[in-house]
Amino acid sequence: EVQLLESGGGLVQPGGSLRLSCAATGFTFSSQTMSWVRQAPGKGLEWVSAIVGSGDSTYYADSLKGRFTISRDNSKNTLNLQINSLRAEDTGVYYCAKDWGAMDVWGQGTTVTVSS
Amino acid sequence: QSALTQPASVSGSPGQSITISCTGTSNDVGAYKYVSWYQKYPGKAPKLMTFEVSNRPSGVPDRFSGSKSGNTASLTISGLQTEDEADYYCSAYTTKTTVIFGGGTKVTVL
Repeated sequence: EVQLLESGGGLVQPGGSLRLSCAATGFTFSSQTMSWVRQAPGKGLEWVSAIVGSGDSTYYADSLKGRFTISRDNSKNTLNLQINSLRAEDTGVYYCAKDWGAMDVWGQGTTVTVSS
Repeated sequence: QSALTQPASVSGSPGQSITISCTGTSNDVGAYKYVSWYQKYPGKAPKLMTFEVSNRPSGVPDRFSGSKSGNTASLTISGLQTEDEADYYCSAYTTKTTVIFGGGTKVTVL
């Protein structure tokens, strides 16, 4: 079964850092572009970043460049998102998804709360 | 880059058809065929409903159909059912090699 499972969310103080992970099973992970999408409370979906299968190319939403770093470990079928200098507006549910033009498999999400 | 423009809400009675619009620019919706629609229930992960404008993934009822004209994409739900009550989001691949979502549309079944 194709599955994505996020982890790493939690409560963090403003200015702190967090590393989210997404474990993939059931498909050839190294062949797939992967994405991170987030949803702030009461708001819509926001695409955050994507990384191609080899890891050689990464893409970010213009508004988020600089504080977010996407990476992957194809030997462990794991996708990562490093978030630095966290702000209150980064609070929300973070989803990993398979592909980016047509995100056909999603994880259940991991919740990030930025608060003092 | 601003979100694609969707109506905040659309409603219809069971059995009716509704259409949700998604307006962008020539740099996103109008640029490529990579327009998708997602269904999202509160507290659940999004579900892909259509991709590449009008294709449906396996398992998605044919009541859901997508189309595009110029810079505006649309999702039509025919034969509206109570379980279709959810939030719907469009997305498009952009000329800046990014993805952009619409603001979301709440569908209410009366």
